[in-house]
Amino acid sequence: DVKVTQSSRYLVKRTGEKVFLECVQDMDHENMFWYRQDPGLGLRLIYFSYDVKMKEKGDIPEGYSVSREKKERFSLILESASTNQTSMYLCASSLIAGGNNEQFFGPGTRLTVL
Amino acid sequence: QKEVEQNSGPLSVPEGAIASLNCTYSDRGSQSFFWYRQYSGKSPELIMFIYSNGDKEDGRFTAQLNKASQYVSLLIRDSQPSDSATYLCAVNINSGYALNFGKGTSLLVTP
Repeated sequence: DVKVTQSSRYLVKRTGEKVFLECVQDMDHENMFWYRQDPGLGLRLIYFSYDVKMKEKGDIPEGYSVSREKKERFSLILESASTNQTSMYLCASSLIAGGNNEQFFGPGTRLTVL
Repeated sequence: QKEVEQNSGPLSVPEGAIASLNCTYSDRGSQSFFWYRQYSGKSPELIMFIYSNGDKEDGRFTAQLNKASQYVSLLIRDSQPSDSATYLCAVNINSGYALNFGKGTSLLVTP
């Protein structure tokens, strides 16, 4: 079974803090993704990576950066957290691009920025 | 903007009935289609995917794809209260890396 793990289930941070969200997958997947999910807005793609050290902006990259130094690990960084970044953050991975690219999700991190 | 549209619901069906969930998409380059189930407070889990026009069955679930009309649907037969969740439709466009997700349909199965 594919396993995608995220470093924290719940996180509370202060405005202006630097926040690191970690994601690890154990199935040698090429692609990894970071989403945020908000009521009424659905899942929105922040960034994705299709290879080590490669990254692409998604629909809402502003205020975020990412790092992928190893194939199994994809980190989301909030350089200076703001209250509008309070959300559920979901990491996902997929084996390849193209048709057979179902994504498998981690359990999510609910981040609250005060 | 490549849109994936779903009725937000809630869709309420009695236990044992067939639940029908629909999804439309705007980009004719869409090639593969996924249905995810998400329980409250949990992350999405894949139910099934479909690439070709027609029906694909997996247990109580049937996905239907009509590329000419640009819609994909999910039928749940013999609905159970445990099927109560939000169902997300996702579309892959042009064999790219990412999926476009709809906002989901909330399903409530009443005993």
